[in-house]
Amino acid sequence: DTEVTQTPKHLVMGMTNKKSLKCEQHMGHRAMYWYKQKAKKPPELMFVYSYEKLSINESVPSRFSPECPNSSLLNLHLHALQPEDSALYLCASSQDSQGAYNEQFFGPGTRLTVL
Amino acid sequence: AQKVTQAQTEISVVEKEDVTLDCVYETRDTTYYLFWYKQPPSGELVFLIRRNSFDEQNEISGRYSWNFQKSTSSFNFTITASQVVDSAVYFCALSFNDYKLSFGAGTTVTVRA
Repeated sequence: DTEVTQTPKHLVMGMTNKKSLKCEQHMGHRAMYWYKQKAKKPPELMFVYSYEKLSINESVPSRFSPECPNSSLLNLHLHALQPEDSALYLCASSQDSQGAYNEQFFGPGTRLTVL
Repeated sequence: AQKVTQAQTEISVVEKEDVTLDCVYETRDTTYYLFWYKQPPSGELVFLIRRNSFDEQNEISGRYSWNFQKSTSSFNFTITASQVVDSAVYFCALSFNDYKLSFGAGTTVTVRA
C-alpha cells in the first residue's frame, strides 16, 4: 500500500468554526508533513512530524494546530481561520525525514474554503 | 541558499508531440537530491523520480525521461509522444540531507487532443 489518504476532500467553514483535517498512511513511514498550497503556487511546508514528535513548525499561526496520535495518523485542527487561509492542504509522508529516505509521497489534499 | 528555477510557466502542445520541461537549480552543497512531481487537476502531487547528486545517469521510464547535468545544474524532464492525460502542473524540487523540499514555481503542461 503506497497511498496517503486525506479526509475530507472538500471543507467549507466559517471563521468561528472548529474543524479538523485527517491524514493516514500505512507505509510504515516515520515522517509526516502538512503543506499549504495556494492556487498556481508550489506547496509551502507548514509542519513536520518525525517519529510522532513535532520537529518543524514553519512559523505557522496558532489557529492551525497539528496532532500526531500515532505513527500512521496526522491531524490538523483548525480554529478561527481567516478567508486567506482558503487553500489546498496536502499531507505527505516519507520513510524518514533525513537522508536518503526523504522522498515524500503526497495525499490528494483537502480543498478548504473559509467564508 | 538553495533555489530551483522552472523558467517555463506554461507549455501547450498537441497530442503526440514531445515536450521538455526545464529545471535549473542552485546549491553549494555536494550532496543533494532532485525530484520531479506531477500535479494533475485533481490536486494530488504524484512522485515521479528522485535523483541524487552522485548519480548523473539519465533515466527513462516509459514515455518519461530525465536528463541530469551537474555541469549546467540542470535536471530536465521530457515527455515523449504526449497524451491528454499528461496535462498537469509539473514541479521540480531540491532537497539536502533533510526534510525540506524546495520547489520550483511549476510548469503547467496542456496537451490538446
